[in-house]
Amino acid sequence: DTEVTQTPKHLVMGMTNKKSLKCEQHMGHRAMYWYKQKAKKPPELMFVYSYEKLSINESVPSRFSPECPNSSLLNLHLHALQPEDSALYLCASSGTESTEAFFGQGTRLTVV
Amino acid sequence: AQSVTQPDIHITVSEGASLELRCNYSYGATPYLFWYVQSPGQGLQLLLKYFSGDTLVQGIKGFEAEFKRSQSSFNLRKPSVHWSDAAEYFCAVGANFGNEKLTFGTGTRLTIIP
Repeated sequence: DTEVTQTPKHLVMGMTNKKSLKCEQHMGHRAMYWYKQKAKKPPELMFVYSYEKLSINESVPSRFSPECPNSSLLNLHLHALQPEDSALYLCASSGTESTEAFFGQGTRLTVV
Repeated sequence: AQSVTQPDIHITVSEGASLELRCNYSYGATPYLFWYVQSPGQGLQLLLKYFSGDTLVQGIKGFEAEFKRSQSSFNLRKPSVHWSDAAEYFCAVGANFGNEKLTFGTGTRLTIIP
C-alpha cells in the first residue's frame, strides 16, 4: 500500500467554524507533513511530524493546529479561518530510510 | 539556502513529440532531487528521484531525468508525449526530514496539442 489518504476531498467552512482535515498512511512512514498550495503555486510546507513529534512549524498561524495521534494518522484542526486560507491542503509522508515524500490527493478548502 | 529554478512557466508540445523540462538547483551538499507531476486539483505524484549513483534515472510513465552536477541541473525528458501527460510538473530538492526542508520549483505547466 503506497497511498496517503486524505479526507474530506472538499470542505467549505465559515469563518467561525471549527473543522478538521484527516490524513492516513499505512506505509510505516515515521515522518508526516502538511502542505498548503494556492492556485498556480508550488506547495508550501506548514508542519512536519517526525516520530509523532512536531519537528517543524513554518511559522503557521495558530488558527491551524496539527495533531499526530499515532504514526499512521495526521490531523489538521482548523478554527477561525480567513478567506485567504482557501487552498488545497496536501498531506505527505516519508520513511526513515528514504526521503521521497508520498502525497495524498489533497483537501480543497474554501473559507466563506 | 537551497533553491530550485524551473525557467519555463509553460511549455506546449505536440502529441508524440519529445519533451524536456528544465530544472536547475542550488544546494550545499549532494542533493536529493525529485520530479513530481500534478494534475489539476490533484495531489502530487512522484515521477522519479535521484539520491546517488547512476546519473540517468528512470521513472514512471516513460520519464527519465539526468543529473548533471557540473551544470547543477536535473532535466526531465520523455521521448514521446501522450495527451495524458498534460499537467503541472514540479522539480524539488532536499528532504523534509530533521531540520531540512523539501524545496519546490515554481512548476512548469505542460500543454499537449493534437
